[in-house]
Amino acid sequence: SQQGEEDPQALSIQEGENATMNCSYKTSINNLQWYRQNSGRGLVHLILIRSNEREKHSGRLRVTLDTSKKSSSLLITASRAADTASYFCATDSNSGYALNFGKGTSLLVTP
Amino acid sequence: EAQVTQNPRYLITVTGKKLTVTCSQNMNHEYMSWYRQDPGLGLRQIYYSMNVEVTDKGDVPEGYKVSRKEKRNFPLILESPSPNQTSLYFCASSLQGRHTQYFGPGTRLTVL
Repeated sequence: SQQGEEDPQALSIQEGENATMNCSYKTSINNLQWYRQNSGRGLVHLILIRSNEREKHSGRLRVTLDTSKKSSSLLITASRAADTASYFCATDSNSGYALNFGKGTSLLVTP
Repeated sequence: EAQVTQNPRYLITVTGKKLTVTCSQNMNHEYMSWYRQDPGLGLRQIYYSMNVEVTDKGDVPEGYKVSRKEKRNFPLILESPSPNQTSLYFCASSLQGRHTQYFGPGTRLTVL
């Protein structure tokens, strides 16, 4: 079952601007992950944040997690045209045996 | 190079003609999974396997079969494909289910 829900569904910005996308989920988690998908291709893992962490950085990516609100955000700073892709959050399931993916945010970065 | 491979990458077939999509990983991962991706529906899990000879249904298993006879391979079988199985399919593997998953390049299947 899909637990993560990304917001907005689509986002269009210009190069150099920051892009923020959000993910909300319903039940308690052990970790939350963000993935990126270029059109029609396989998903690529970006970052994992554990339930006891509040913020994590990786290059131009910043992820926050608020377990009290059951939400996470992904910030891409100084965006580039090459960041154009769909971004998905994924939470581990109640059973712990699988990841549940949201429907994704489609990001378009124009030069 | 660590990778997940899928074959074929593209397939057009007709209703009722059995087909198999292969998936192989070279990372010695215990966990493997199949997803389908459809516009507006995101990624939905079809089946997963926690280890050799251990498989279980995901969210949308109807019309699909899987097997896990070897650790590296996890084929997806459509015994009698129907047009509603037209989709983009992804295989993924990881050390364990909740860990980082590595995705294959995808198989675009069209059932006429």
